[in-house]
Amino acid sequence: EADIYQTPRYLVIGTGKKITLECSQTMGHDKMYWYQQDPGMELHLIHYSYGVNSTEKGDLSSESTVSRIRTEHFPLTLESARPSHTSQYLCASSGGPGQTLEKLFFGSGTQLSVL
Amino acid sequence: GENVEQHPSTLSVQEGDSAVIKCTYSDSASNYFPWYKQELGKRPQLIIDIRSNVGEKKDQRIAVTLNKTAKHFSLHITETQPEDSAVYFCAASWGYGGSQGNLIFGKGTKLSVKP
Repeated sequence: EADIYQTPRYLVIGTGKKITLECSQTMGHDKMYWYQQDPGMELHLIHYSYGVNSTEKGDLSSESTVSRIRTEHFPLTLESARPSHTSQYLCASSGGPGQTLEKLFFGSGTQLSVL
Repeated sequence: GENVEQHPSTLSVQEGDSAVIKCTYSDSASNYFPWYKQELGKRPQLIIDIRSNVGEKKDQRIAVTLNKTAKHFSLHITETQPEDSAVYFCAASWGYGGSQGNLIFGKGTKLSVKP
């Protein structure tokens, strides 16, 4: 079934650890995004990619990095996690065959807690 | 850049009543206005959208209206049901000639429908 998959669903780690949040989509979409959602609900765009080897920073400054080596895969990495990184991270994609770039489909998210 | 303001931040209604959520945008170049619904613990999902060449769009109990002159758009839910309880996000973006800007989201409205 076409979907966007994020793993892990929940992650609790200690300060200073390196982590990678995985996002894969089988939607056939070109564009992918990472959003950070704070407890107050607001969605902040932190990274996006138009396709392979394309990565752009979003509106919210983030210490995380992303890569896009394969069309369907868009992992997010934190080299040294801090408590301020505690948040929900949502991956999204858009722009499949016959579809416009503007309609976003979201994954289920990763809830990250840094102790 | 684009800025989207959303009101109210919380809304409580009795089952069967109507609910209205309002958004304003700043960039007159914006021409696409979607609404996403996020139930507790779940991913945001697109429920309805409207383009700038249309003033109103309906889908069963939900409708969206757009006033381009005033740069505001609204979500209307009639005959509310408990399953309508969720956080609703409005958004705006532009798209011309194959180029597409990123969605700018409002801060969200938490709707509670009391039985």
